[in-house]
Amino acid sequence: QKEVEQNSGPLSVPEGAIASLNCTYSDRGSQSFFWYRQYSGKSPELIMFIYSNGDKEDGRFTAQLNKASQYVSLLIRDSQPSDSATYLCAVINPPGGGNKLTFGTGTQLKVEL
Amino acid sequence: DTGVSQDPRHKITKRGQNVTFRCDPISEHNRLYWYRQTLGQGPEFLTYFQNEAQLEKSRLLSDRFSAERPKGSFSTLEIQRTEQGDSAMYLCASSPTGQPQHFGDGTRLSIL
Repeated sequence: QKEVEQNSGPLSVPEGAIASLNCTYSDRGSQSFFWYRQYSGKSPELIMFIYSNGDKEDGRFTAQLNKASQYVSLLIRDSQPSDSATYLCAVINPPGGGNKLTFGTGTQLKVEL
Repeated sequence: DTGVSQDPRHKITKRGQNVTFRCDPISEHNRLYWYRQTLGQGPEFLTYFQNEAQLEKSRLLSDRFSAERPKGSFSTLEIQRTEQGDSAMYLCASSPTGQPQHFGDGTRLSIL
């Protein structure tokens, strides 16, 4: 079982819709959770981070964390074509995992006109 | 405030050659990380520094790989006797203690 799992997609949504991206993780000791956006050929860009159960909102983005079920999700409201990218979920699980980020393989999002 | 800077952006080399990459972190960020990313995969952790101390190394980091951060500022990653399997994007990230990591633009390595 992979430590961090994501559906590779592509996930296609129409412009203006809500995109829902999901991620599950295997280590119950995971404490910090991150979403990075990566455009083709570019480096990952931090979008959201969440440490506590519940929702965290920042503009059009909402991160949701459920530690009991070991999943974290990212909602993108009013999706725009510029949101088309690969979204990487990452976790930190100290102490055994140190401070390294463990990434999933990413979900490709396509926002269609 | 400039972001994480990596040099070079692209490196093409022949198998068996040595290569060295440089990373300049965001000013005042005491933590510096190296990751490697291949096509279709998420970045994989290689090593991390807190100031000048190398605190963790991945088992992925064979003895052909070495990293330094001599003065706690910039870092170098050297790969000796490069192999085809070393072709990847090498990413550097930095952060203050306990804060999220921010990535540089990466160095794309191609082995001929």
